[in-house]
Amino acid sequence: AQSVTQLDSQVPVFEEAPVELRCNYSSSVSVYLFWYVQYPNQGLQLLLKYLSGSTLVKGINGFEAEFNKSQTSFHLRKPSVHISDTAEYFCAVSDRAGNQFYFGTGTSLTVIP
Amino acid sequence: NAGVTQTPKFQVLKTGQSMTLQCAQDMNHEYMSWYRQDPGMGLRLIHYSVGAGITDQGEVPNGYNVSRSTTEDFPLRLLSAAPSQTSVYFCASRLTGGYSNQPQHFGDGTRLSIL
Repeated sequence: AQSVTQLDSQVPVFEEAPVELRCNYSSSVSVYLFWYVQYPNQGLQLLLKYLSGSTLVKGINGFEAEFNKSQTSFHLRKPSVHISDTAEYFCAVSDRAGNQFYFGTGTSLTVIP
Repeated sequence: NAGVTQTPKFQVLKTGQSMTLQCAQDMNHEYMSWYRQDPGMGLRLIHYSVGAGITDQGEVPNGYNVSRSTTEDFPLRLLSAAPSQTSVYFCASRLTGGYSNQPQHFGDGTRLSIL
């Protein structure tokens, strides 16, 4: 089985500052990795995904993430955040069959004007 | 194109009542799944289906039943609701086969309170 740990439950950051949301996973098999964003009272939307190949993955809204196999991490970054980035962010992992998804507990990002 | 549609959006039940949460998708996705979201717990997989007539358990299946008679619909049933099932429920879908690496499309959720 896989598991996902998001180390920070809440991250406050000032507008236009950089941000990093941390995600570590554990798995005995090769996995796919995802970051999703959830705005209030909405479902989850995909930000980016890592399947294979280049370890630096770029997503929507200026976000990127880096896969580090040796540290089993998939941290999400943005060089300059906006007020509209305030939301809950979830890291997720699935096995290569893609039938079982495991989500982290989420990180609440609050952008301060 | 409606995507994934969940009904109802809100529901209040009494302990012991039964309830079916509806989920429908119009993208011809074979894979469909149900999650519950609880504070500090993230999303946890309840049941999933890889096609009509095929269902399987996820991480937290107890107290829930599912069936998949059509590709479009994947209802979630609570036979005897308990307060511990108070949660926000999300349905999601995606393609299967060679598309197992594709992300899931999520509905907007059903907020269920059990008194």
